[in-house]
Amino acid sequence: DQQVKQNSPSLSVQEGRISILNCDYTNSMFDYFLWYKKYPAEGPTFLISISSIKDKNEDGRFTVFLNKSAKHLSLHIVPSQPGDSAVYFCAASATGRDDKIIFGKGTRLHILP
Amino acid sequence: DVKVTQSSRYLVKRTGEKVFLECVQDMDHENMFWYRQDPGLGLRLIYFSYDVKMKEKGDIPEGYSVSREKKERFSLILESASTNQTSMYLCASRASTRGGGYTFGSGTRLTVV
Repeated sequence: DQQVKQNSPSLSVQEGRISILNCDYTNSMFDYFLWYKKYPAEGPTFLISISSIKDKNEDGRFTVFLNKSAKHLSLHIVPSQPGDSAVYFCAASATGRDDKIIFGKGTRLHILP
Repeated sequence: DVKVTQSSRYLVKRTGEKVFLECVQDMDHENMFWYRQDPGLGLRLIYFSYDVKMKEKGDIPEGYSVSREKKERFSLILESASTNQTSMYLCASRASTRGGGYTFGSGTRLTVV
């Protein structure tokens, strides 16, 4: 059973507009959430994270929002740039559990010129 | 700069061969992980290790084994390679302290023919 769900396999956004990637989770024990970005033939790279004590974390063009009651988080990229075209993985982990991070299946973002 | 190094970027092996994928990290991390990434299936955990000589099965351990004789090195072994093990293999490490995510290697694209 998927604990971290990314229901959109792909997303296309015009360059300069906002990209919004969504993620839902089912495990209420998760308290730390991450987004990774992956280019083809490369390993994923850490993008941004958020702890469950916050509802928003911002880093430059990237903002992650967390809605604990809905068990939902989203990644906003503003403005979208061609280099943002990649696969984005949402991930989560739980304090006190082992150090495994649970990943979603990913969303492929295409930035259109 | 912290680093996880996977020994090969691309490998082609024959069905039935024994295959070794090597991963080395220079961050003195306790925890190391092996994932495979397949289109539409996201990142699936094969095995992980919390310490030297310790190993735990992940979600898809069948057909694989691991070895961790030294803290910095975590090897994935395909006992008898099969075509369904053609995939991108990703190694990651993480410190045991709370917070922070994985650092991934660049990946090994394995093709079994």
